[in-house]
Amino acid sequence: GAVVSQHPSRVICKSGTSVKIECRSLDFQATTMFWYRQFPKQSLMLMATSNEGSKATYEQGVEKDKFLINHASLTLSTLTVTSAHPEDSSFYICSAREGPETQYFGPGTRLLVL
Amino acid sequence: AQSVTQPDIHITVSEGASLELRCNYSYGATPYLFWYVQSPGQGLQLLLKYFSGDTLVQGIKGFEAEFKRSQSSFNLRKPSVHWSDAAEYFCAVIRGTGGGNKLTFGTGTQLKVEL
Repeated sequence: GAVVSQHPSRVICKSGTSVKIECRSLDFQATTMFWYRQFPKQSLMLMATSNEGSKATYEQGVEKDKFLINHASLTLSTLTVTSAHPEDSSFYICSAREGPETQYFGPGTRLLVL
Repeated sequence: AQSVTQPDIHITVSEGASLELRCNYSYGATPYLFWYVQSPGQGLQLLLKYFSGDTLVQGIKGFEAEFKRSQSSFNLRKPSVHWSDAAEYFCAVIRGTGGGNKLTFGTGTQLKVEL
C-alpha cells in the first residue's frame, strides 16, 4: 500500500508554544489529506480535511485558529497547534487519500504539552 | 447520520484459534467499508476494503471480511490467529462518493492473543 509519513513522531513542548506536525505522502500525490485526533483507548476523531491549494475544512467544534492547517503541495500537509495547552496533549494522526475513497494513514505524532 | 458499531470492546483468543470481529453499520445504502488495524502507538494500517462486487473480501495478513447487506454487517475473520495480531481493530465506513470521503470509525475492538 501507499506510504504516509509524519514528523515528528513525538514532541514535548511548553504550554503557550506552537508545534508544527508534518504529514507527507511518499509515493503518491494527495490532493486531500485528513487530520485526526485520538485520545487514549478511543477511536479517531476527524479534525479537518486538508485540500491542496485551498483552505482546510474543519469539523464542528474544532477551532481553526487553534489548529492551523496548510496543504501547500500535493505531498505535504502541516498541522500547527498554536499556543498549546496541556489539554491539547494527544495522538495526532494524518491520512492521505489515494484514488476515490481509500485513505492511508501516517504513524501518528504524540504531543505532550507541559 | 451514519454510524458504525463494534459491539466487542475487548476480545481474547488463544494463538491458533479462529477470530471474528463484529462490525455493524447503519445507513440506507451500501457504504464503502474498511477494516484498519492499529498497533500500540502506531497509525492505522488498511487490512481490507469493500466497495462492491464479491461480498467476501480478502485482505492482508490472512484476514478476510464478509459484507452481509441483510444484516448490515461487515465482520472481520481470520482462521488462525498469530500472537502478532494483538492490536486494536477499527471498522470504518464512507457514505459513498457523496460523503466527502470522510471516514466514520467504530469505537474499536482490542484483540488480545494468549500464547
